[in-house]
Amino acid sequence: QVRLQESGPGLVKPSETLSLTCIVSGDSVRSDYFWGWVRQPPGQGLQWIGSAYHGGNTYYSPSLKTRVSLSLDASENTFSLQMTSVTAADTAVYYCGRHADSGPSRISYWGQGILVTVS
Amino acid sequence: EIVLTQSPGTLSLSPGDTATVSCWASQSFPSNFLSWYQQKSGQAPRLLIYGTSKRAAGIPDRFSGSGLGADFTLTISRLEPEDSAVYYCQQYDGSVLTFGGGTKVEIK
Repeated sequence: QVRLQESGPGLVKPSETLSLTCIVSGDSVRSDYFWGWVRQPPGQGLQWIGSAYHGGNTYYSPSLKTRVSLSLDASENTFSLQMTSVTAADTAVYYCGRHADSGPSRISYWGQGILVTVS
Repeated sequence: EIVLTQSPGTLSLSPGDTATVSCWASQSFPSNFLSWYQQKSGQAPRLLIYGTSKRAAGIPDRFSGSGLGADFTLTISRLEPEDSAVYYCQQYDGSVLTFGGGTKVEIK
């Protein structure tokens, strides 16, 4: 069974960098799937942030791509999100997920989410 | 970037009723890239439907999807209290994923 668990600080100061890690079990980040991040501001809908593949392909939301970087660490079986120059508008629950196939289409597995507050 | 618009914003129905949630796209895209998710309060989303009409593993046949081009529908038949949730459509256009704004289904 694929399991994902987000980890990282729950509080980040404005203008600093938000860094989150997704710990993967039951699968390998080197498997033939994309791995991605989605966020949800309090009381709002879902926003895709970006998705990455071990082969090097990475896709980002156009509205966030200047501030976001994704990476995979096969040795730790984790993948990470870095978002620079955060503001209060980046306060959200951040979910990591595994896509269903070798293209970043649907997300089949989700972590439980981690609330990150920018303040 | 394809924008998805969902309607209605909220549905309030009784057990046994049928819920119909619409999702309109700003432009057409292949139907195999349209998915639906269910999100219950305080939980992560769960994949319900992919490829417009295929049910994900473990999803009961009360949930069905249809549509083509830029117009898609999620239908929930024989509503049960456990179906109370927010439902999101999502598309992938080859490089960008977008979600609809969500439809809240309330069970009276």
